[in-house]
Order: sequence, then C-alpha cells, then structure tokens
Amino acid sequence: EVQLLESGGGLVQPGGSLRLSCAGSGFTFSTNGMSWVRQAPGKGPEWVSGIGRDTHYADSVKGRFTISRDNSKNTLYLQMNSLRAEDTAIYYCAKGDRNSGWLIWGQGTLVTVSS
Amino acid sequence: QSVLTQPPSASGTPGQRVSFSCSGSSSNIGSNYVCWYQQVPGTAPKLLIYMNNHRPSGVPDRFSGSRSGTSASLAISGLRSEDEADYYCAAWDDSLSGYVFGTGTKVTVL
Repeated sequence: EVQLLESGGGLVQPGGSLRLSCAGSGFTFSTNGMSWVRQAPGKGPEWVSGIGRDTHYADSVKGRFTISRDNSKNTLYLQMNSLRAEDTAIYYCAKGDRNSGWLIWGQGTLVTVSS
Repeated sequence: QSVLTQPPSASGTPGQRVSFSCSGSSSNIGSNYVCWYQQVPGTAPKLLIYMNNHRPSGVPDRFSGSRSGTSASLAISGLRSEDEADYYCAAWDDSLSGYVFGTGTKVTVL
C-alpha cells in the first residue's frame, strides 16, 4: 500500500524553526515528484513547495523554507525558518506532479506558530 | 489571494447535476493542466480530476472536468449525499512559477 507519513509538527514561537519529515512507503520514492501543501484553519489548501527535477517555492515562503529529500531513507523534508503566525497550518506532503496532480496525501502534521 | 476564482457555493437535490467554474488566466489555466480536488472537513484533499478531464482509478464517472480557454469546470451528475464537500481547482502558474489552488466551492446536497 502506498503511504505517506508526516512528522515534526508542533508549537513554535515566532521567529523559530521547525523541520517536517514525510516518510514514503509502497512506491519508488526516488522517481516521484513530491510537494508540501498546507491548510490554515478554516482556509483552503495552499501549495508551499515542490521537488522533482528542480525545486519550487510559493512566494510566501521563499527564502525561509527549504525542501529536500533523502532517497536512501525514502523521506521528504521541509526546513522552516523565521516562522510567522501566518504559517500556522496543517502541513501535508503529497506524491505527484503539476500535470498528474497529487494522488497520494499524508495525514498531515499541525504547525502552530504562537508566543 | 488566489488567482483562481470559484463560486463560493453550489447546491442540488439528490440525482441532480451540478456544475461550477474555475476562472483563471493565460498564465495558469490557459497554458497548464487543471486538477480538481474534493475535501471533506478534517481530511486531506482527494484528487478527482487531473489533466483537465482524466479521472484517477476509483473516482466515479459521475465526476467530469473540462477546460476552455482560461476557465475550467467540474460537473457532478447523479448528485449523492456523500458528494457534500468542498471542491478546489488547481493549476501551475507560469508567472508565479508555482502551483495555485482556487478559492473553493462548497457543494451542499439539499
């Protein structure tokens, strides 16, 4: 069964850092595009970042967040620095690409930025 | 503020057909594929349509997508109570070099 499992969320103060992880199983991790999508409370989904042949970021996180992957561990990461209150959201990792869409999603991990 | 605009709500009675639009521009819908996602509150989005009008395995053929120019549409035929959810269009935007979601349409089954 194809699965994605996020971890690393939690409560962090404004200006702080957090690293999210997403462990994939049941598919060839290294050959698949992956993305992070977040959803703030009561809001719609917002694409954050994607990694395939290259990396891309939403303007709202550019310069603060870094996406990376370790194919030997089948794991996707999102390093989040200089966190702001508006980064508070459930963060999902998703498997797919911009053409075929994201068919597989994790269960999400909650990030709360608050003092 | 999203660059893809959807009507905030749509509704119908069981068995009816409902459809709603997603309006974009030449840099997103006009030049890239559109996907549609269904989201029930408290769960992750579910891919319903990819590449404008293709359904992943397991998605009923009651759901159909189309694209014309800088707009796209999702239609649900034979509406069922379990179709009550939020629906989002999405596409790559060449100007932003990023992926954008629509504002979302809440479907209510009366």
